[in-house]
Amino acid sequence: DAKTTQPNSMESNEEEPVHLPCNHSTISGTDYIHWYRQLPSQGPEYVIHGLTSNVNNRMASLAIAEDRKSSTLILHRATLRDAAVYYCILKNNDMRFGAGTRLTVKP
Amino acid sequence: GAVVSQHPSRVICKSGTSVKIECRSLDFQATTMFWYRQFPKQSLMLMATSNEGSKATYEQGVEKDKFLINHASLTLSTLTVTSAHPEDSSFYICSAGMTALNEKLFFGSGTQLSVL
Repeated sequence: DAKTTQPNSMESNEEEPVHLPCNHSTISGTDYIHWYRQLPSQGPEYVIHGLTSNVNNRMASLAIAEDRKSSTLILHRATLRDAAVYYCILKNNDMRFGAGTRLTVKP
Repeated sequence: GAVVSQHPSRVICKSGTSVKIECRSLDFQATTMFWYRQFPKQSLMLMATSNEGSKATYEQGVEKDKFLINHASLTLSTLTVTSAHPEDSSFYICSAGMTALNEKLFFGSGTQLSVL
C-alpha cells in the first residue's frame, strides 16, 4: 500500500511556479522523502529528495514540513517539458509508488 | 549521472513464449534492483525486489514461477516472463540503486511487452 497521498492532477501556466503537495502522515524517522517524475512511455526520473531540511537543486526545491508529515515539491518556473506525472515516495526497502500527480502545463 | 540500461525497449511475442528483459547499471554497482509493471494510465506497481546474490522478494499476487528474476551480479538483473499470455502485456520498468535510504534510484527506460 502506498504511504503517500497526492492530488490526482494539477494545472499550471507556463513560466509560473508550481507547488505539488504530498501527505505522508505515517512517515518514520528514517524515511527519506523522494520525488520522481515520469514522462509518457518512459521510466521515472529522479527529481529531488530530503530528510528534514528543505532542499534545492537545479530542477526543483523540496519543502518539508516541520513534523515531516507533508512535503511540497516546488517547480519555480514551469515549462512545457515539466508536464509529467510526479510521484512522492518514502524511500524504504520496498519502494512502492502511489498514484502520483499528473501535472499539465498550459502555454 | 548514473545510467540504467534496459533492453529490449519493445518486444512482441506469441502467446506461450518466454521473454527476457535485461536491466544493467552502467556506471555503478547496484545492491538493490526493483521490477515494476505499469498498465496504461496507471501508476507503477512493484513486482519484486532483488538484492545481488539472493533470491528476489515478490509482492503479494505476483507469481514467482511466472516472473523469474535473477540478480547474479551488482550490475545486471533480468526478468523473464515465462509462457507469456496476452494479459501479461504491459510496460515493465526496472530500477537500480544502493540500499541506503538517502540514495536515489535510477530507472530504466522501460520495456513495452505485447503478447499476441
